[in-house]
Amino acid sequence: ETGVTQSPTHLIKTRGQQVTLRCSSQSGHNTVSWYQQALGQGPQFIFQYYREEENGRGNFPPRFSGLQFPNYSSELNVNALELDDSALYLCASSPDPKETQYFGPGTRLLVL
Amino acid sequence: DAKTTQPPSMDCAEGRAANLPCNHSTISGNEYVYWYRQIHSQGPQYIIHGLKNNETNEMASLIITEDRKSSTLILPHATLRDTAVYYCIVRVLAGNQFYFGTGTSLTVIP
Repeated sequence: ETGVTQSPTHLIKTRGQQVTLRCSSQSGHNTVSWYQQALGQGPQFIFQYYREEENGRGNFPPRFSGLQFPNYSSELNVNALELDDSALYLCASSPDPKETQYFGPGTRLLVL
Repeated sequence: DAKTTQPPSMDCAEGRAANLPCNHSTISGNEYVYWYRQIHSQGPQYIIHGLKNNETNEMASLIITEDRKSSTLILPHATLRDTAVYYCIVRVLAGNQFYFGTGTSLTVIP
């Protein structure tokens, strides 16, 4: 167990809706990274938050946005959901942006 | 973009050592080699990482060639619970993200 938790575990949405996924980082970690994992693929980096600021972003459109709170927990928001957004969404926390990342169990999102 | 090459699948007999290879021929001097594994639909689990020297922890050993162009993850006594997808990742020291490829699907056979 890494101490990283995510909620909800599963979620079903329809195309065009908006979704918010949540992540609680491991104690002592100030950095949270978010990844999207499509079926049969490796995780793809979405963005990273460090001390409440975005600290790097992958090749994802602006409808993917995030927040980090003073307690270092984080949210991933996705607007205007598309069918291709169906995936496992993973968050990972680390003590520092450049340190080893420890992953949570993920949230499985299905967009119909 | 993933900078590593791994075989798509491997089998290993239970109790034997599992040796998982990884090629990273374009690795730079400031890049680490990380290994994670992912058991079906769970979050990736950190295993080990190294820069130049061989590393060992309670889970595995990491052997990096002298020219650093390839490495091998060794699970000394594979069990059925080691069946998973294993990802070899090269990470820039100053970078903040991991580039996952498609990994090696290891099946441990009873």
